[in-house]
Amino acid sequence: ELKVEQNPLFLSMQEGKNYTIYCNYSTTSDRLYWYRQDPGKSLESLFVLLSNGAVKQEGRLMASLDTKARLSTLHITAAVHDLSATYFCAVDGSNDMRFGAGTRLTVKP
Amino acid sequence: NAGVTQTPKFQVLKTGQSMTLQCAQDMNHEYMSWYRQDPGMGLRLIHYSVGAGITDQGEVPNGYNVSRSTTEDFPLRLLSAAPSQTSVYFCASTEGGTSFYGYTFGSGTRLTVV
Repeated sequence: ELKVEQNPLFLSMQEGKNYTIYCNYSTTSDRLYWYRQDPGKSLESLFVLLSNGAVKQEGRLMASLDTKARLSTLHITAAVHDLSATYFCAVDGSNDMRFGAGTRLTVKP
Repeated sequence: NAGVTQTPKFQVLKTGQSMTLQCAQDMNHEYMSWYRQDPGMGLRLIHYSVGAGITDQGEVPNGYNVSRSTTEDFPLRLLSAAPSQTSVYFCASTEGGTSFYGYTFGSGTRLTVV
């Protein structure tokens, strides 16, 4: 059964600092997704990673995928308050998408 | 282009009541799914559909029914509500199977069962 684990589950950062969120998954998959969710809101797609070694960047966020290690990372560079949200990774199953538990990120001034 | 529309946004039910959560998409997506979101557990798949007339169970299907009579609509029925079904429910769709572009999510339905 496909399992997806994220860590940390909670992350409090100072503005301007860097940090990485990790996403491990248990079985082979060709696609990995990162989503952002603001409190009380729906999920917004951030990145779709399609192959081993894929790297995508948008602003202060960069996501990468290592399919051999079954690991994806979401790196935050010089965090700002606007990045405060919950971040989910998700991995393709046979007919669905399995989610990690989410990382609640708080960026403090 | 409305995307994925869910109704209602909020609902309070008494234990044992039934209700239907509505989901409609206007993107001609073949694949639709229902997730529930509970604190600390991410999103868990309830049911999904790969096209009109075709549905299947996900990770947590008990207590829920679905049907897919049209491409656009994918309602979720709670047969006899229980407090354990208190959750936030999201409907999602994508072009076909799991998506090159990821899923488009509705705005969610916050359900409380008392």
